[in-house]
Amino acid sequence: AQSVTQLDSHVSVSEGTPVLLRCNYSSSYSPSLFWYVQHPNKGLQLLLKYTSAATLVKGINGFEAEFKKSETSFHLTKPSAHMSDAAEYFCVVSDNALGNEKLTFGTGTRLTIIP
Amino acid sequence: DAGVIQSPRHEVTEMGQEVTLRCKPISGHDYLFWYRQTMMRGLELLIYFNNNVPIDDSGMPEDRFSAKMPNASFSTLKIQPSEPRDSAVYFCASSFDPSNQPQHFGDGTRLSIL
Repeated sequence: AQSVTQLDSHVSVSEGTPVLLRCNYSSSYSPSLFWYVQHPNKGLQLLLKYTSAATLVKGINGFEAEFKKSETSFHLTKPSAHMSDAAEYFCVVSDNALGNEKLTFGTGTRLTIIP
Repeated sequence: DAGVIQSPRHEVTEMGQEVTLRCKPISGHDYLFWYRQTMMRGLELLIYFNNNVPIDDSGMPEDRFSAKMPNASFSTLKIQPSEPRDSAVYFCASSFDPSNQPQHFGDGTRLSIL
């Protein structure tokens, strides 16, 4: 079984300051992990993915995430927030079990950027 | 490359009417997923297909919902009869290998049932 918990439903940061969006996962197998971003009235767009290669994953728009097996975490970070980063962010897990093509989505974190 | 294409983008209809949502996946992707997003329940998987065959429809709410994939480039999600509680944003996504490759999402259909 797989699950994902996004620890904050809403995060507010000032423009130019660091961003941290927290995610913990549970998986019976070696998981694949993803972060997606959703801007208003748009579909989900992939930010980055972890699939058992390097534990520090770099994505688009300056985002990165670190896979920490010991902590079962996959937190998303960005050194300096930009106004265009305001959106909903979803942490997603796939446990790579044979025959399991389904993703499990977190409940989302709404990121607000303060000018 | 064209992404996943959904139509219509917006649909407003009266309770009891039939609603058909359409999706064109990315060419070459063997998997197609239908999701529903609401404020209360978040993002829910309704059904997914592999090579045009439905694999898991356990998320389909009830018999009023049906989905088909007649060929590799087209899928429909139908609601008949529609009810106000079906109001949501419906997303289609496709993937080559969803166990370790990302799903690519369309921009969704915002459905309002009056």
